[in-house]
Amino acid sequence: AQSVTQLDSQVPVFEEAPVELRCNYSSSVSVYLFWYVQYPNQGLQLLLKYLSGSTLVKGINGFEAEFNKSQTSFHLRKPSVHISDTAEYFCAVSDTGTASKLTFGTGTRLQVTL
Amino acid sequence: GAGVSQSPSNKVTEKGKDVELRCDPISGHTALYWYRQRLGQGLEFLIYFQGNSAPDKSGLPSDRFSAERTGESVSTLTIQRTQQEDSAVYLCASSSPRLYEQYFGPGTRLTVT
Repeated sequence: AQSVTQLDSQVPVFEEAPVELRCNYSSSVSVYLFWYVQYPNQGLQLLLKYLSGSTLVKGINGFEAEFNKSQTSFHLRKPSVHISDTAEYFCAVSDTGTASKLTFGTGTRLQVTL
Repeated sequence: GAGVSQSPSNKVTEKGKDVELRCDPISGHTALYWYRQRLGQGLEFLIYFQGNSAPDKSGLPSDRFSAERTGESVSTLTIQRTQQEDSAVYLCASSSPRLYEQYFGPGTRLTVT
């Protein structure tokens, strides 16, 4: 069984400041890792994914994440946020065997203000 | 189609009634998933279809929930004798196995009164 922990339910940040959204996972098998974003009243959109290779993954809208196997973490970062980044962010994992269902964290609400 | 579509977008039903939710996956995607998102919570996996294989129903919360899929196309999620705790947004996603990336539909917001 797998689980995902997003410790921060809300992260307030000023525009142009850096941000890190934390994600830790637990799994007895190898995993693929994902970050999804959900803008207000919209569906989920993939930000980035880690399947293999380089542990630093770059995604859309200037976001990046680093896979740390020893710490079982996959934190999401952006060096300078914009008002338009205000959204709910979900970390998710799936096992590599079947690449099937995703197990999601409870989400982090990023609130960017002027 | 261009993306995953779901219908209806909103559904209000009385407790005890049955509801059917529909999902049209992206053409060519062999895998289809249903998730539930309760207010203020993450997404819960419900069921997964992959081609002609037996579906993974391990996430269905009770026998009131069932889902069907015709080949590699449309899927319907049926909830019988709805309860207030069934109120949630039901999301459908599809994927091509080689890409390991799920594309989500806009969801169906179900409200049980």
